[in-house]
Amino acid sequence: NAGVTQTPKFQVLKTGQSMTLQCAQDMNHNSMYWYRQDPGMGLRLIYYSASEGTTDKGEVPNGYNVSRLNKREFSLRLESAAPSQTSVYFCASRLQAASTGELFFGEGSRLTVL
Amino acid sequence: GNSVTQMEGPVTLSEEAFLTINCTYTATGYPSLFWYVQYPGEGLQLLLKATKADDKGSNKGFEATYRKETTSFHLEKGSVQVSDSAVYFCALRGNTGNQFYFGTGTSLTVIP
Repeated sequence: NAGVTQTPKFQVLKTGQSMTLQCAQDMNHNSMYWYRQDPGMGLRLIYYSASEGTTDKGEVPNGYNVSRLNKREFSLRLESAAPSQTSVYFCASRLQAASTGELFFGEGSRLTVL
Repeated sequence: GNSVTQMEGPVTLSEEAFLTINCTYTATGYPSLFWYVQYPGEGLQLLLKATKADDKGSNKGFEATYRKETTSFHLEKGSVQVSDSAVYFCALRGNTGNQFYFGTGTSLTVIP
């Protein structure tokens, strides 16, 4: 059981380049999330998708777009990368129907923007 | 609004020492509370959770009690091991909505 899988695990970009982080889960979860983790700031929510076909902004959505491709997949796109987007990105999922359903996380994608 | 404040680190302890990591929260209603652990180079994984006041979550020797009167969910372990070295995150999910709110994390290093 793979759980939550993120690709790529590492990426280096130049300012202005674009890229997409991919996330897939095989747990039949309906809600999916993208967080970024920065030193001293914990995890901050970028976007989430409560169910297939819906997406909502989190705390720090500027500079990002998301696509909920189907129930399994939720991608995060940086259209024009900036050094401030250097971070570790985590995808997570949960079963919304479970009243206390916890988040399950991927292993993270480390992005460096030069 | 919802927020989580947790004890800043880093924390360094000797093996078999007692651990407490403080966590307090602000929330409307009755949130669910969680502790997540992140080992080096890995994603976060659930350590324990509590869903209502006075519930005690426990796992791998760690415990935390949901205290509504003090809005706290402090993490404790009686005897830490080197393998407990990690970053610990306190989090809450409000009783409405899908969003989780995380503390800034506390780094723990246990030395032999």
